Amino acid sequence: GAVVSQHPSWVICKSGTSVKIECRSLDFQATTMFWYRQFPKQSLMLMATSNEGSKATYEQGVEKDKFLINHASLTLSTLTVTSAHPEDSSFYICSARDKVGQDFYEQYFGPGTRLTVT
Amino acid sequence: AQRVTQPEKLLSVFKGAPVELKCNYSYSGSPELFWYVQYSRQRLQLLLRHISRESIKGFTADLNKGETSFHLKKPFAQEEDSAMYYCALSGHSGGSNYKLTFGKGTLLTVNP
Repeated sequence: GAVVSQHPSWVICKSGTSVKIECRSLDFQATTMFWYRQFPKQSLMLMATSNEGSKATYEQGVEKDKFLINHASLTLSTLTVTSAHPEDSSFYICSARDKVGQDFYEQYFGPGTRLTVT
Repeated sequence: AQRVTQPEKLLSVFKGAPVELKCNYSYSGSPELFWYVQYSRQRLQLLLRHISRESIKGFTADLNKGETSFHLKKPFAQEEDSAMYYCALSGHSGGSNYKLTFGKGTLLTVNP
C-alpha cells in the first residue's frame, strides 16, 4: 500500500527559532498533500492543503506567514513553523492523496511529528 | 459547514460483546463518510468508507441519510480492536472540495 513518511518524528526547538517538517510519499506521486495538527487527546484539525506547484490553501484561523508550506515536487511537501512559540507545541500530521479508483481518492497518513518548543 | 459528531469519548466493552461507535454528520451536499482507526503508537489508517460497502476486520458501517448517521458496528469485539476510532466526512473525493473533517474520536477498549 501507499506509504507516507515524515521527518523528523520528534523535534525540540527554542522559542523564536524555525523548524522544518518534511512529508514524503514514498511509492506514489501526490499532487495534493494535507497538513493537520493534533492536540493531546483531541482530533485532527486540518491546517492547510498543499498543492504541488502552487500556493497552499490555508484553513480559517491558520496563519500562513507562520506556517509556511512548500510543495515543490510530487513526493515532498514541507511545513516550516517560523518563529516558534511554546503554544505551537503539538503533533503535526501530514497526509497525501492518491487515486484508488476511476473517480475516487484516498488519503494516506504519515506517522506524525511531535514538536516541542521550549 | 461540515461537521462530524462522535458523542462517546470512551467506550468499553468485553471481548465477544457487540460494539457500536456512533457518528452523526452535518453536510449540505452528498458526503463521503469514512472510519479511520489509530492503534496504539501507530499512524492513522483508513478502516472503511461508505461507498465500498464492505466489511473490514468484521466492522461494518451503513450510511443513513435520513438520520445523518454512519455508525460503526461489530457483532463480536476482539481485544485487538482496542484503538481510537475517528469518523470523518468529505465532499466527493475526486472533487476540488475534498477535505476531511474529523470527529473528536472514540477510544474503544475491549476487555478480556
